[in-house]
Amino acid sequence: NAGVMQNPRHLVRRRGQEARLRCSPMKGHSHVYWYRQLPEEGLKFMVYLQKENIIDESGMPKERFSAEFPKEGPSILRIQQVVRGDSAAYFCASSPPLVSNYGYTFGSGTRLTVV
Amino acid sequence: GEDVEQSLFLSVREGDSSVINCTYTDSSSTYLYWYKQEPGAGLQLLTYIFSNMDMKQDQRLTVLLNKKDKHLSLRIADTQTGDSAIYFCAESHLSSGSARQLTFGSGTQLTVLP
Repeated sequence: NAGVMQNPRHLVRRRGQEARLRCSPMKGHSHVYWYRQLPEEGLKFMVYLQKENIIDESGMPKERFSAEFPKEGPSILRIQQVVRGDSAAYFCASSPPLVSNYGYTFGSGTRLTVV
Repeated sequence: GEDVEQSLFLSVREGDSSVINCTYTDSSSTYLYWYKQEPGAGLQLLTYIFSNMDMKQDQRLTVLLNKKDKHLSLRIADTQTGDSAIYFCAESHLSSGSARQLTFGSGTQLTVLP
């Protein structure tokens, strides 16, 4: 079981470009969560998805950010027209279908730097 | 909204005990967690406690929960240099549309001195 896989580990984008962050959940996990960690801060919830369905996107910025979790393939967090303030570590977590009380399994994160 | 607070820094000597404290505001919190983050890495779940418990022990780790004061602590016995990391407190609660949302504190940087 390879765990939650995120790629790329590091991503550098110029202002105005698009960033695409990928997350492959653990085998058997059908729920994915995206969190953002700004420098020297804790993680902030962004979005919670099941396959082909966004369950809760209350933490997503209203513009430029979108997320999907298709039937096949990884979950994608997409940031259009990146700005310096988007520089952060983006973490993905996954959990199985039943309610899990044991916390989620996090990936190692993608560190986005906007130059 | 929910809020989780932690002190930012803690330094201890190798072999001593470390106590990391956390307070939270949401009285409907169901589970509380401690995560460890090493430099450049993701979050590793260390331990968790259900809100109707007051203590949980797991090897060198002891979690104490004072539900009345909404205070959570993590005690690491015989702290080692490998314990140096950032420790995050987090709570989860049931809310409409988001049964499993975690709210994190800002993290406590633990430095273990030789």
